Amino acid sequence: AQTVTQSQPEMSVQEAETVTLSCTYDTSESDYYLFWYKQPPSRQMILVIRQEAYKQQNATENRFSVNFQKAAKSFSLKISDSQLGDAAMYFCAYRSAVDSSYKLIFGSGTRLLVRP
Amino acid sequence: EAGVVQSPRYKIIEKKQPVAFWCNPISGHNTLYWYLQNLGQGPELLIRYENEEAVDDSQLPKDRFSAERLKGVDSTLKIQPAELGDSAVYLCASSSLGPEQQYFGPGTRLTVL
Repeated sequence: AQTVTQSQPEMSVQEAETVTLSCTYDTSESDYYLFWYKQPPSRQMILVIRQEAYKQQNATENRFSVNFQKAAKSFSLKISDSQLGDAAMYFCAYRSAVDSSYKLIFGSGTRLLVRP
Repeated sequence: EAGVVQSPRYKIIEKKQPVAFWCNPISGHNTLYWYLQNLGQGPELLIRYENEEAVDDSQLPKDRFSAERLKGVDSTLKIQPAELGDSAVYLCASSSLGPEQQYFGPGTRLTVL
């Protein structure tokens, strides 16, 4: 079974600075998707960024980028120029590309605090 | 375009009482998911619907939980009777077809006293 591990329960960053959130996963599959979701206090999960395992190029979305290391099964999220609105819970998630369940498997989350 | 709608946002009940949560997915989305999120954890899938058919309910505790998606649009998740351990956030998500991006609703926070 696949698992997702986020070893940082909480991270803190100064506004305008850069922070990296860590995520590791375990799978025997070669084809899959990885995601970072943001969950603010409103509880609505918002997709931040997505990475297809077959793509070697790291995904980027404006201030958000990932460092995808397939061999190491590592998928970290870098937030540049942090803003107060980035404060939230961040969840790393895995989804198989071969399993028809389409189930997202989430890590336990990292709470990001942004200091003004 | 309206997002996924869930109601109620909060619910407080006493143990052994029944409770129901409602979800209206994004218009045109055939796939609907119910997730359970315990405090301090990531969401876990309870059930997935393709139109009105429950195609993955392996994680749904069927002794007390039930779900339905009549006409393949709105869905209701029910717990009867509720237990203290059911206190959590129940999230609904939808996607246009199978593996496409899942869009989440704001969830229902359930407190069982």
